[in-house]
Amino acid sequence: GQNIDQPTEMTATEGAIVQINCTYQTSGFNGLFWYQQHAGEAPTFLSYNVLDGLEEKGRFSSFLSRSKGYSYLLLKELQMKDSASYLCAVADSNYQLIWGAGTKLIIKP
Amino acid sequence: IAGITQAPTSQILAAGRRMTLRCTQDMRHNAMYWYRQDLGLGLRLIHYSNTAGTTGKGEVPDGYSVSRANTDDFPLTLASAVPSQTSVYFCASSRTGEGSGANVLTFGAGSRLTVL
Repeated sequence: GQNIDQPTEMTATEGAIVQINCTYQTSGFNGLFWYQQHAGEAPTFLSYNVLDGLEEKGRFSSFLSRSKGYSYLLLKELQMKDSASYLCAVADSNYQLIWGAGTKLIIKP
Repeated sequence: IAGITQAPTSQILAAGRRMTLRCTQDMRHNAMYWYRQDLGLGLRLIHYSNTAGTTGKGEVPDGYSVSRANTDDFPLTLASAVPSQTSVYFCASSRTGEGSGANVLTFGAGSRLTVL
């Protein structure tokens, strides 16, 4: 079966750096997405990786290793507003999105 | 402001009743999707439409139906609601449908449905 694994919950301190990991086993691979979802709100797009390596976007970076079936989202200079769930999703061979259950990130002052 | 509008925001429904969740987008996106989100599970695709006039089944289509009469609207109907359909439902759209790479989704604010 197809599977996306990410930690259920993480806690970090304001101003620090946190890395959220995502491992996947899917039938084919056509890209990996990260979305942010604040409590009670809609998911919003953060990043897309289809080739190995690091994509940087301001305080957020996303890394992909296709051979290892692994990605991480790196958040730097954490702010209280970064408290949210972070969803990892992989597009399989049919371009269907397979979603992880999300990682709830709690930021403490 | 361009985006996706869902209605109702929340609804409590008796089991066996029929319910339609509405979804309208004004971005002229070709593809639209309905997902349900349950605690501890990833988003699960119910139905999708790659273009007006066509629909397809997702991972969990049973008990749900959709139609896509035009580009903007994509209603989701529960013909006879059951308690297991209690969930948060998200409508989403993307510029292109399946078969494209960076298929970024824009989501509506969600509809919280409780079936008693």
